[in-house]
Amino acid sequence: QVTLKQSGPALVKPTETLTLTCTFSGISVSTKEMRASWIRQRPGKALEWLARIDWDDEKFYRTSLKTRLTVSKDTSRNQVVLTVTNMDPVDTATYYCARQFCTYGVCRGYDLWGQGTLVTVSS
Amino acid sequence: EVVLTQSPATLSVSPGERATLSCRASQGVNSNLAWYQHKPGQAPRLLIYDASTRATDIPARFSGSGSGTEFTLTISSLQSEDFAIYYCQQYDAWPPVYTFGQGTKLQIK
Repeated sequence: QVTLKQSGPALVKPTETLTLTCTFSGISVSTKEMRASWIRQRPGKALEWLARIDWDDEKFYRTSLKTRLTVSKDTSRNQVVLTVTNMDPVDTATYYCARQFCTYGVCRGYDLWGQGTLVTVSS
Repeated sequence: EVVLTQSPATLSVSPGERATLSCRASQGVNSNLAWYQHKPGQAPRLLIYDASTRATDIPARFSGSGSGTEFTLTISSLQSEDFAIYYCQQYDAWPPVYTFGQGTKLQIK
């Protein structure tokens, strides 16, 4: 059974850097065709795709946030990590990691999700 | 960036009735579209991928259709557990910026 478990702070101060971790169980983050993304939902708003990292370490970012986002893998810990620099109160949101469903080179929607981490940005 | 517009924003339907939700893309996304169900305090749940394929363990009352720019999610006979927010999402764009629609809130009439 593949599961994603998130960890990270519930509260950060403005200008600080947020680091969120998504630990995979049941599958290696280096498995071919593995793709993981970070998605957030600000209060009362829609889901917002942030970033993606693939099994081969290729990375993609939301254009409007690209300068503040970094996604990485820690293969020894089987984790995917998101950092967001210069946090602002408007970044208050529930952050999710999710696995994109891929088979035989074709990738589709997100079939597995972490439990979500509510991050509040406040001094 | 591909913009997905969902309609209506809110849909009020009685249990047992049919619900039809729409998603329109600002440019063609082929059939690379998914639908999710999202309930408060839970992670989103994948319902449909490739526009019309039900994900694992999704009941047959959920169906998807469409391609290109127009998509529909139909729930044939609403159960109490179906009242939630539904999002469409495209995964066609290159470079991959996988946008979501703004959501349709399905509520009990």
